[in-house]
Amino acid sequence: GAGVSQSPSNKVTEKGKDVELRCDPISGHTALYWYRQRLGQGLEFLIYFQGNSAPDKSGLPSDRFSAERTGESVSTLTIQRTQQEDSAVYLCASSLERRNYGYTFGSGTRLTVV
Amino acid sequence: DQQVKQNSPSLSVQEGRISILNCDYTNSMFDYFLWYKKYPAEGPTFLISISSIKDKNEDGRFTVFLNKSAKHLSLHIVPSQPGDSAVYFCAASAGAQKLVFGQGTRLTINP
Repeated sequence: GAGVSQSPSNKVTEKGKDVELRCDPISGHTALYWYRQRLGQGLEFLIYFQGNSAPDKSGLPSDRFSAERTGESVSTLTIQRTQQEDSAVYLCASSLERRNYGYTFGSGTRLTVV
Repeated sequence: DQQVKQNSPSLSVQEGRISILNCDYTNSMFDYFLWYKKYPAEGPTFLISISSIKDKNEDGRFTVFLNKSAKHLSLHIVPSQPGDSAVYFCAASAGAQKLVFGQGTRLTINP
């Protein structure tokens, strides 16, 4: 597609439920990144994919968070047993290659845990 | 551990004047620096970047300055326009590592 697409754009969930966030990167972009932005904070790195493998998962805050990527395309970020502190905008970005720092970001998924 | 800091949460500038956004970093291994701009309900968009081998990079109205000894970079926008009103994020990376972002500065351009 023309840009990075994320769905849903907004998600309200009850504490304790699982949520799945989706990212469709730009076609042909091999690198894919997940970041989140909590209220009043900067962008916090979560995980990086090169192709279908994730060489850097260092930003995942707990084992409730997981992500996968298939077909060097779509990625899903799953949060199990959501907590209120998980409320944030989750941003996905893709780039052509690891050293192409002009990441293209999606519009994000705003997650609210109530 | 905040490796990239933007100490001004907000900045207000008159249209036509210069806007200067500042960013400080602590990791001396950072060798590539970028600025992103973000409008509400949109993802950040890449604006301008600079390698650590340079001290200045210019692109139209936007100039980024890097002072490695002070571990400081700044973004100058001149002249400032109403469409420049947005949140600006500074980001840095070490080698081919992930981008580390600052907290952002909300720039408001007043007519």
